[in-house]
Amino acid sequence: RKEVEQDPGPFNVPEGATVAFNCTYSNSASQSFFWYRQDCRKEPKLLMSVYSSGNEDGRFTAQLNRASQYISLLIRDSKLSDSATYLCVVNRPGSARQLTFGSGTQLTVLP
Amino acid sequence: EAQVTQNPRYLITVTGKKLTVTCSQNMNHEYMSWYRQDPGLGLRQIYYSMNVEVTDKGDVPEGYKVSRKEKRNFPLILESPSPNQTSLYFCASRIGQANQPQHFGDGTRLSIL
Repeated sequence: RKEVEQDPGPFNVPEGATVAFNCTYSNSASQSFFWYRQDCRKEPKLLMSVYSSGNEDGRFTAQLNRASQYISLLIRDSKLSDSATYLCVVNRPGSARQLTFGSGTQLTVLP
Repeated sequence: EAQVTQNPRYLITVTGKKLTVTCSQNMNHEYMSWYRQDPGLGLRQIYYSMNVEVTDKGDVPEGYKVSRKEKRNFPLILESPSPNQTSLYFCASRIGQANQPQHFGDGTRLSIL
């Protein structure tokens, strides 16, 4: 089983739609979780950290479910500019400095 | 401007010809790391460094070397490149704690013929 698994997509949604991505992680001891965004082979950029109680940043909501070992990202009122690949990132327990990246979920928002 | 700078951005070279990809950050970050990104495999860590003179292997270190003689620089060395090292490479840095975001360089696209 991969350490971090994501549905690769692609997800094609119309502008204004709500879209959700899930990501599962294998190690129950993981403590740090992030969503990164990557545009067309450019560098990944932090979208948001994921906190235990869930957190929101504008149109983006991240949730953590420790019991089921998954994190989710919800995008409301999607914009054309949201088209990108979304990477799920989880720390590797026992090595506080190391992060494991999922292979990403591709989103295309259509006009 | 806070940034991570990689050079070169693109390189096409031949098998066996030693090459170095440089990485420099101006944010005084302790932690630096190299990743490669291949289709369907995501970002995989090659080497990382927690501070000057402290380096460690990531998930895919074979065929690579690194050094950390200064805090700001973390070069990636391919002593004898092979075609399976053709990939998109990213350098990243962050302050020490794992719950802090990583800042990535623009990437280096290497093609080994």
